Amino acid sequence: EVHLLESGGGLVRPGGSLRLSCVASGFTFSTYAMNWVRQTPGEGLAWVSDINSWGDYTNYADSVKGRFTISRDNSKNALYLQMDNLRAEDTAMYYCANGDWLDYWGQGTLVTVSS
Amino acid sequence: DIQMTQSPSSLSASVGDRVTITCRASHGIRNDLGWFQQKPGKAPKRLIYLASTLQSGVPSRFSGGGSGTEFTLTISSLQPEDFATYFCLQHNSHPYTFGQGTKLEIK
Repeated sequence: EVHLLESGGGLVRPGGSLRLSCVASGFTFSTYAMNWVRQTPGEGLAWVSDINSWGDYTNYADSVKGRFTISRDNSKNALYLQMDNLRAEDTAMYYCANGDWLDYWGQGTLVTVSS
Repeated sequence: DIQMTQSPSSLSASVGDRVTITCRASHGIRNDLGWFQQKPGKAPKRLIYLASTLQSGVPSRFSGGGSGTEFTLTISSLQPEDFATYFCLQHNSHPYTFGQGTKLEIK
């Protein structure tokens, strides 16, 4: 059974940083692309970033480009999202999802950016 | 960016009803579309991929159709556990984009 567990969310001030993690099990992590998606009540779902299975090719939404960095450690079955220079509008539930087609999703971790 | 326009935004229906939700893409996306179900406080769950392929374990009352720019999700006979929010996702080109969601409520 596929299991994705996100962690690292919390309350941070504008301009601050957070690092999200997603630990995977139940599938061969090193052969899957991985994604981060965020959700807010007002804006709905928004794709944030993805990374290929090798970790050498990444894509970002324009809204986070230059501030967020996606990475992975296949030896640990782990996906990361380094979020710098956070803004109030980054406040959201952040999900990781596996595969090019976002096959399975984790339960999410809540990020709140507020002073 | 490809815009996904989903309709309706909300839908009131009864157990046993047949309902259809539509997503329209601003540009052709072949069949690079998935449908997801989300219940309050839970992670999204994929129901359909490649526009019409049923995810393993998903009841056959769910079906997907379409290609290019117009897609549908149909629930043939609503069950109590189907009352949830549904949304589409295009993964044809970056940035991937979602429909705004359809909240399916009990009449």
